[in-house]
Amino acid sequence: AQSVSQHNHHVILSEAASLELGCNYSYGGTVNLFWYVQYPGQHLQLLLKYFSGDPLVKGIKGFEAEFIKSKFSFNLRKPSVQWSDTAEYFCAVVTGTASKLTFGTGTRLQVTL
Amino acid sequence: GAVVSQHPSRVICKSGTSVKIECRSLDFQATTMFWYRQFPKQSLMLMATSNEGSKATYEQGVEKDKFLINHASLTLSTLTVTSAHPEDSSFYICSAREAQREPKTQYFGPGTRLLVL
Repeated sequence: AQSVSQHNHHVILSEAASLELGCNYSYGGTVNLFWYVQYPGQHLQLLLKYFSGDPLVKGIKGFEAEFIKSKFSFNLRKPSVQWSDTAEYFCAVVTGTASKLTFGTGTRLQVTL
Repeated sequence: GAVVSQHPSRVICKSGTSVKIECRSLDFQATTMFWYRQFPKQSLMLMATSNEGSKATYEQGVEKDKFLINHASLTLSTLTVTSAHPEDSSFYICSAREAQREPKTQYFGPGTRLLVL
């Protein structure tokens, strides 16, 4: 069965710092990859997704992610974080013909002023 | 964009009672809906997958007689927690996807916080 690993459980950054959150998955076949964000007290929102094509995917709010097939990774990046980016970030994967999303454990990002 | 709503957003009930949670897709037809449970500071755990007009598929370890799921229309799925107990207290989240347009993308509802006393 597929699994998703997010190694950073809690990240604290100052405003304007650059962000990179790691996401690795274990599955050798075709994957569809997602990053979701959950702001405090709010529901999960789709940040970006990768289905095929350009492995560098741009999402909302200045986020981007790069799919590196050889490393089974889909890391999330943002050049300059804002206080409003404080949230929980979840990486998720759908594999092959499966219909289910498998979530990582999440990374809590705290941005300080 | 695709909007999913849940009702109620919060419910407190006594032990032994049943609670029904509704999940609606507001601007698209949801051929498949999913129900998740999220514990504090943890990830989402899939409970079951429901396809419109057919029986739900439950994940291993989820009691289907305790968590009744009905997906009677393309815009509504319900989760009923029967004879709720304090250990059922949790945050329940539904998601929906539209098979025609984006078969692999799920859109999430705001969640329902259940507290069983």
